[in-house]
This record gives sequence, C-alpha cells and structure tokens, in this order.
Amino acid sequence: NAGVTQTPKFQVLKTGQSMTLQCAQDMNHEYMSWYRQDPGMGLRLIHYSVGAGITDQGEVPNGYNVSRSTTEDFPLRLLSAAPSQTSVYFCASSYSGQGLRETQYFGPGTRLLVL
Amino acid sequence: SQKIEQNSEALNIQEGKTATLTCNYTNYSPAYLQWYRQDPGRGPVFLLLIRENEKEKRKERLKVTFDTTLKQSLFHITASQPADSATYLCALPFPASGGSYIPTFGRGTSLIVHP
Repeated sequence: NAGVTQTPKFQVLKTGQSMTLQCAQDMNHEYMSWYRQDPGMGLRLIHYSVGAGITDQGEVPNGYNVSRSTTEDFPLRLLSAAPSQTSVYFCASSYSGQGLRETQYFGPGTRLLVL
Repeated sequence: SQKIEQNSEALNIQEGKTATLTCNYTNYSPAYLQWYRQDPGRGPVFLLLIRENEKEKRKERLKVTFDTTLKQSLFHITASQPADSATYLCALPFPASGGSYIPTFGRGTSLIVHP
C-alpha cells in the first residue's frame, strides 16, 4: 500500500492564481481531512470528509474548497491564492474518523508559497 | 483561544535519560488523546492512543499517562536516543457544531537528544 499520497510536493503561485492540491489514499478509509501547518501555529483543520459525497468545514476553511467524489481522493482547491495561504498542507485519513479513536495517517505534505 | 498547550521551548536532554513532554488542555473532557511524532519535512506519525479510563499506556520505550482531573497528559521516552529527536504532538477530539468532533492538535514540543 502507498498509504496517503500528495501532489505536488512543492508549488509556487502568484497572488490570485488557482490550483488544486491532490490527495489520495489506498487504504479504503472513509475519513479524510486537510490541515495546514504554520510555524508556531501547529496543525489546523481546513476541511474534512466522513465519506464520499460528504464534506464539512474545519477550523480555517475560508479560501479553500473541497469535494469527495470517490473514497480514494480528496482534492483541496485554492480558488484565488493569497500570501496568507503560504503554508505546508497535510492530507490525512483514518478508517472512520470517530473522534480520533483511530490512527490518522498523514501524507508527506505539500509546501505552498504564494507570492 | 488555545485549547491545547504544549511547551513551546525545545527540550534538550542527554542520551540515555528519560524525556518527559507535557500536554495540557482546557475546559473539556476528551474520551481519547493521541500522541504523534513529526520529523522535519514530513507528516506526523501516530505513536499512541490513550483512553480516559486508562491511567497509563506503554509501547516499548514510550509511556503515556492521562490525568483527567488535571486535564493533562505526560509523554515519556525512556533511555532516549539521538534518533528520538523530533517534534511530538498531542491531539484531542474537540466538539464542533452539529455534534461532530474535530481532531485538534497542539503546537508540538521539539525534543533534542544529545549524544
């Protein structure tokens, strides 16, 4: 199993550009989520999904969109990038996401720089 | 407001000693608590989960305690090695709107083990 994969590893954007961060898992996990990690701020939840077709907002959802059309994939879209979105983005998955009763598996991260 | 507190200063210890990291939380009684390890440039990796009815959990050289009265978890690494140097994160499920729970991470404590 590849686990949780993320692409790209690194991306530079100009203010106002759009892009999609890809996340895929091959463990048949129902729960998937996106975090951003900034120095001194820790991991903050952006959006999450408890299954295909179901998404919800986390702590910092503004400026980001998600969709979950399949169990395997959970892309994160930035519609109009801003410098404040410069961060490291992590995708995570778990079997069912029952309030952290289970292990969360994290991807390797995507480093995003918005100029 | 900060819901989870971990020491922001790095913990420096000598090889062979026991490292003790602290995770404090406020105004909430979580049913579970998790500890993760994060190496530079990588995603967090799950280490241990402890439930509210468990005072202590062990895994090899790792030990976690969970004091629901003090609202505190302690994470111990015995016989520490330079390879244990990393950032350690605690995570709890905090209640969100609609009856769901959002996994919430502390900012992490950096551990540096000197040979």
